[in-house]
Amino acid sequence: EVQLLESGGGLVQPGGSLRLSCAASGFTFSSYAMSWVRQAPGKGLEWVSTVSSSGHSTYYADSVKGRFTISRDRSKNTLYLQMNSLRVEDTAIYYCAKETVLLFVLDYWGQGTLVTVSS
Amino acid sequence: EIVLTQSPGTLSLSPGERATLSCRASQSVSSNFLAWYQQKPGQAPSLLIFDTSNRVTGIPDRFSGSGSGTDFTLTISRLEPEDFALYYCQQSGSSPTFGQGTKLEIK
Repeated sequence: EVQLLESGGGLVQPGGSLRLSCAASGFTFSSYAMSWVRQAPGKGLEWVSTVSSSGHSTYYADSVKGRFTISRDRSKNTLYLQMNSLRVEDTAIYYCAKETVLLFVLDYWGQGTLVTVSS
Repeated sequence: EIVLTQSPGTLSLSPGERATLSCRASQSVSSNFLAWYQQKPGQAPSLLIFDTSNRVTGIPDRFSGSGSGTDFTLTISRLEPEDFALYYCQQSGSSPTFGQGTKLEIK
């Protein structure tokens, strides 16, 4: 059974940093691209970032480019999102998601971790 | 960036009725890379359909997707109580984007 378990969310001040983790199990982690998608409270879904199966290719939404860094650790079956220079508008539930063999199509999602950026 | 506009914003129907949800793109979606997700309150989204019309394994055949270019549709032929939820379309081109969602509510 595919499981994705996010952690690392919390309250942070504007300009601060946070690192999210996503522990994956139930599938061959190294074979699939992985993504982060966020959802502001009461709002819709916003794709944030994707890392290829090898980790060599990364993709970012313009809204986070230069501030967020996606990475993965094959030895730990874990996906990360390093978030720097956080803004109030980054407040959201952050979901980790596994892609199918089709890029950016997300077939399994974690339950999400809440990031609140506030002073 | 491709902007996806979903309509209606809210759709009020009764169980057993047919639901038609629309997703319109600001420019043509490459290779019809259009997916649909369902989200229930307090839950993560789940993938229903990819590449416009391909159902994910286990998704009932009352769900169907169609369209091409800039106009796409998710149809639920006969609504079951568990189908009342939020639905998002997503284009999975070079920079993926989601529509703003359609809320399917019980009338």
